[in-house]
Amino acid sequence: GAVVSQHPSWVICKSGTSVKIECRSLDFQATTMFWYRQFPKQSLMLMATSNEGSKATYEQGVEKDKFLINHASLTLSTLTVTSAHPEDSSFYICSASPSQETQYFGPGTRLLVL
Amino acid sequence: KNQVEQSPQSLIILEGKNCTLQCNYTVSPFSNLRWYKQDTGRGPVSLTIMTFSENTKSNGRYTATLDADTKQSSLHITASQLSDSASYICVVSRAGSYQLTFGKGTKLSVIP
Repeated sequence: GAVVSQHPSWVICKSGTSVKIECRSLDFQATTMFWYRQFPKQSLMLMATSNEGSKATYEQGVEKDKFLINHASLTLSTLTVTSAHPEDSSFYICSASPSQETQYFGPGTRLLVL
Repeated sequence: KNQVEQSPQSLIILEGKNCTLQCNYTVSPFSNLRWYKQDTGRGPVSLTIMTFSENTKSNGRYTATLDADTKQSSLHITASQLSDSASYICVVSRAGSYQLTFGKGTKLSVIP
């Protein structure tokens, strides 16, 4: 149980295009989902917290207009990287929370912006 | 400030040997502590979770300990295998919160 999937697992795009990443909780409902970014050899950095049916809460320094988050259902959250640039290349990981103090992580999405 | 410190930063061991990774935290109020294994290019996978009242938890060749008084945890890996090569991350949850505090991880390399 407690499986979280992400799609796509990797994506290559041209600079200036937008990329959407999906995060799904497969066997539980998640009122809260989280989006993290991880650069090489560094730990996960929280970007934003997403609650179903409401606006996401972004961490300091994360541009909300750059990283659009939609949490339309209890099992799906999406992260859209708008007008992607090479510096947005990173490993994006989501997690889903069925309850407070518990998070299950997805397998991650590697984004490469050329 | 809520922090999680891990040591060592990296470790190289021979296949078949044991090793112990350390985690010290200052997160308060404490809820639980998890050890995750993260393979390169993959998401973190939970190995163990311990709450305040638990001081040992095993998962196969992985054994985690927790001393809530000293706010220290360890992850012991027995009879290491090449597939154990990964980053091991200590993550602490605050009580009454979704907030997680991550350690920077220990990169373990198991060599033949």
